[in-house]
Amino acid sequence: GENVEQHPSTLSVQEGDSAVIKCTYSDSASNYFPWYKQELGKGPQLIIDIRSNVGEKKDQRIAVTLNKTAKHFSLHITETQPEDSAVYFCAASGRAAGNKLTFGGGTRVLVKP
Amino acid sequence: DTEVTQTPKHLVMGMTNKKSLKCEQHMGHRAMYWYKQKAKKPPELMFVYSYEKLSINESVPSRFSPECPNSSLLNLHLHALQPEDSALYLCASSRDRGFSGNTIYFGEGSWLTVV
Repeated sequence: GENVEQHPSTLSVQEGDSAVIKCTYSDSASNYFPWYKQELGKGPQLIIDIRSNVGEKKDQRIAVTLNKTAKHFSLHITETQPEDSAVYFCAASGRAAGNKLTFGGGTRVLVKP
Repeated sequence: DTEVTQTPKHLVMGMTNKKSLKCEQHMGHRAMYWYKQKAKKPPELMFVYSYEKLSINESVPSRFSPECPNSSLLNLHLHALQPEDSALYLCASSRDRGFSGNTIYFGEGSWLTVV
């Protein structure tokens, strides 16, 4: 089955700096890669996703890049703000795995004012 | 704000109790999910309903019993739980399961404590 590894497990950045979270996946048939943000006491919220026919996608301060050859994808947050502090999960899915989401282990991001 | 609504937000139950978690969505989605999340861990898939039929059971113990009364509602019936079942239970939905890349939307979860 699919295996997703996520690094780092914790990330502390100064407000205004950039944050980068990296994920690798094992199943070359995976073709959908969402990122979720989970604030304390809340459910995961989708913040951005990318499909395998696209190499990069941006939404304001958030961008995701995908390297299918290397089987890794990354989340980039620019101009970080205190409200970006949360746990971020990457995930992968594909038809070969029954379209089930496989999550990475999560990254706890702390933005220091 | 999430359009997947879960009740109750918090539940404390004894090991001999019977209780239920409820989930509702009005996005017209035909796939609904139950996930379990322990502290500092990612969500773990428990059950998937597709067009109101159970399509995936991830070898979940029978003390957890899912039910999908209609396309908008999903219940999780709880009976004879153990303290290690204490966790955040997340309901989710997606347009369907037929195509990869369907966004899965999560509710805010129900915090369950078994005493």
